[in-house]
Amino acid sequence: QKEVEQNSGPLSVPEGAIASLNCTYSDRVSQSFFWYRQYSGKSPELIMSIYSNGDKEDGRFTAQLNKASQYVSLLIRDSQPSDSATYLCAVKLPGSARQLTFGSGTQLTVLP
Amino acid sequence: GAGVSQSPSNKVTEKGKDVELRCDPISGHTALYWYRQSLGQGLEFLIYFQGNSAPDKSGLPSDRFSAERTGGSVSTLTIQRTQQEDSAVYLCASSLRIGGAGTPGTQYFGPGTRLTVL
Repeated sequence: QKEVEQNSGPLSVPEGAIASLNCTYSDRVSQSFFWYRQYSGKSPELIMSIYSNGDKEDGRFTAQLNKASQYVSLLIRDSQPSDSATYLCAVKLPGSARQLTFGSGTQLTVLP
Repeated sequence: GAGVSQSPSNKVTEKGKDVELRCDPISGHTALYWYRQSLGQGLEFLIYFQGNSAPDKSGLPSDRFSAERTGGSVSTLTIQRTQQEDSAVYLCASSLRIGGAGTPGTQYFGPGTRLTVL
């Protein structure tokens, strides 16, 4: 089992819809979770971080964390074509000196 | 302030040659990371430097790969006797070791170096 798993997609949603991206992780005691967005040919940029169970909202983005079920999700409301990118989930695994382990990413396409 | 910079942006080399990739982190960031990203794949961790501590080299794929960080700032990733499977985008990131409330600092990525081994 991979330490951090994401569906590779591609995930397609129409403009204005809610895009839901999911990530599961292997170690129950992981504490910190991050979502990065990567446009094609560009480097990743942080869009959300979450540390506690529940929801965290930032504009059109909502991160949801469920430590009991070991998953973290990212919801994008009112999706725009400019949201089309690959979304990378990253997790701080316990005992990991290097701090973050990345999933392989989910490719999202928002159709105009 | 300047972000993470990397050079060169593109490098084409012949199989068997050595290459050096450079990363200049954000000033004041004590942590520096190298990742590799092959086409359509996620980030593969290579090596992590934190201050003056011994680097975490656990992600280096073979002994052809090495990295150093001079003076706690600029880092160089060296690949000896390059192979075609080394072709990828090599990304560097830096962070403060600790962020708010004891969380890991946010990693800021450079633009990457696209390496092509012919």
